[in-house]
Amino acid sequence: AQSVTQPDIHITVSEGASLELRCNYSYGATPYLFWYVQSPGQGLQLLLKYFSGDTLVQGIKGFEAEFKRSQSSFNLRKPSVHWSDAAEYFCAVNTNAGKSTFGDGTTLTVKP
Amino acid sequence: DTEVTQTPKHLVMGMTNKKSLKCEQHMGHRAMYWYKQKAKKPPELMFVYSYEKLSINESVPSRFSPECPNSSLLNLHLHALQPEDSALYLCASSPIKGGSGETQYFGPGTRLLVL
Repeated sequence: AQSVTQPDIHITVSEGASLELRCNYSYGATPYLFWYVQSPGQGLQLLLKYFSGDTLVQGIKGFEAEFKRSQSSFNLRKPSVHWSDAAEYFCAVNTNAGKSTFGDGTTLTVKP
Repeated sequence: DTEVTQTPKHLVMGMTNKKSLKCEQHMGHRAMYWYKQKAKKPPELMFVYSYEKLSINESVPSRFSPECPNSSLLNLHLHALQPEDSALYLCASSPIKGGSGETQYFGPGTRLLVL
């Protein structure tokens, strides 16, 4: 069965600092990986996704993620964080059946 | 139109009430999903409809009853809920269910409180 682990429950960074959110997955076949962001009381917004090809994926809002098969990781990065990036971030993997498994999420706090 | 809409935004109901949640999309998607999300937790899949037919039921209690009247509309009928059913209910859609790489588009959710 597939699983997703986000090791960091909560991360605090200063505005303007760089950010990396970790995601590790377990899935026997080729993974289809996603990062979503959720602001309080809102639905999930897709930041980026990886299916195949270039292992460095660019997303919206200046985010990027790198797929590393050898490490079973799909970490999310942003060079300079803005106060509006404060939110909950979920990593997810899709199976061939089209079902999504989400990690437990990482809460990002941005200090002024 | 690239959004999924959900109504109502908030709902408070007693344990003996019957209510319904509504989800609508006009992107021509043929798969629609219901998720339940508790506070500080990830979304949990409840149901998947593909081409207006129920294709996945994740062992959800019968007090939750989904309905897909047409390809644009998805309802979730609620009856005799328990306080532990209080959560954010998210609807999502995707072009065609079964595609591993399909992106799901989420609505803003309905926040449900059961008293």
